[in-house]
Amino acid sequence: GNSVTQMEGPVTLSEEAFLTINCTYTATGYPSLFWYVQYPGEGLQLLLKATKADDKGSNKGFEATYRKETTSFHLEKGSVQVSDSAVYFCALSLNYGGSQGNLIFGKGTKLSVKP
Amino acid sequence: EAGVTQFPSHSVIEKGQTVTLRCDPISGHDNLYWYRRVMGKEIKFLLHFVKESKQDESGMPNNRFLAERTGGTYSTLKVQPAELEDSGVYFCASSQSPRTEAFFGQGTRLTVV
Repeated sequence: GNSVTQMEGPVTLSEEAFLTINCTYTATGYPSLFWYVQYPGEGLQLLLKATKADDKGSNKGFEATYRKETTSFHLEKGSVQVSDSAVYFCALSLNYGGSQGNLIFGKGTKLSVKP
Repeated sequence: EAGVTQFPSHSVIEKGQTVTLRCDPISGHDNLYWYRRVMGKEIKFLLHFVKESKQDESGMPNNRFLAERTGGTYSTLKVQPAELEDSGVYFCASSQSPRTEAFFGQGTRLTVV
């Protein structure tokens, strides 16, 4: 079936460190891929997305590239800040059929950034 | 413009009781989704409304869960009777179409004791 696997957390980094959160997926067809972020006390927010192979999504210094050959969508940021502390969710959406628009999520990775 | 609103934000009920969660989507969004995150697990899709119709309810866990969207505006999710395993955070999201960005509410944390 369709699924998303992301690295287990929690991840603790010092400010200005490099961040990678791995995400791989299994899906039929060509899904759209997303990273959502949940800051403490808030709802889920779309961080970035990519809709086809080799697309790169980027926002707020975060980037992820849709790699069809490795079925991956790893999240990266060159220099994290304390304000990036949050839970990050990788997700996919199928682009066809009755399930179009429904998101399939990974388990989430909690990131803590220390000053 | 108001975002997706959910209430209550927290609910603690005893096993066997009934609880009703409410979601107010962004005005004009025909698509409304319910998701649930059980502690330590992934966020799972429950169902999808298009206006007042259920487009996909394949994620609903069992017949103790009833979702409605009267008039295609707000939606309610009723759990009756609640069981311990129903504890978790229930998220609602809305979008203009299945292909556009879904905006999420803050979630309702349900605890069944």
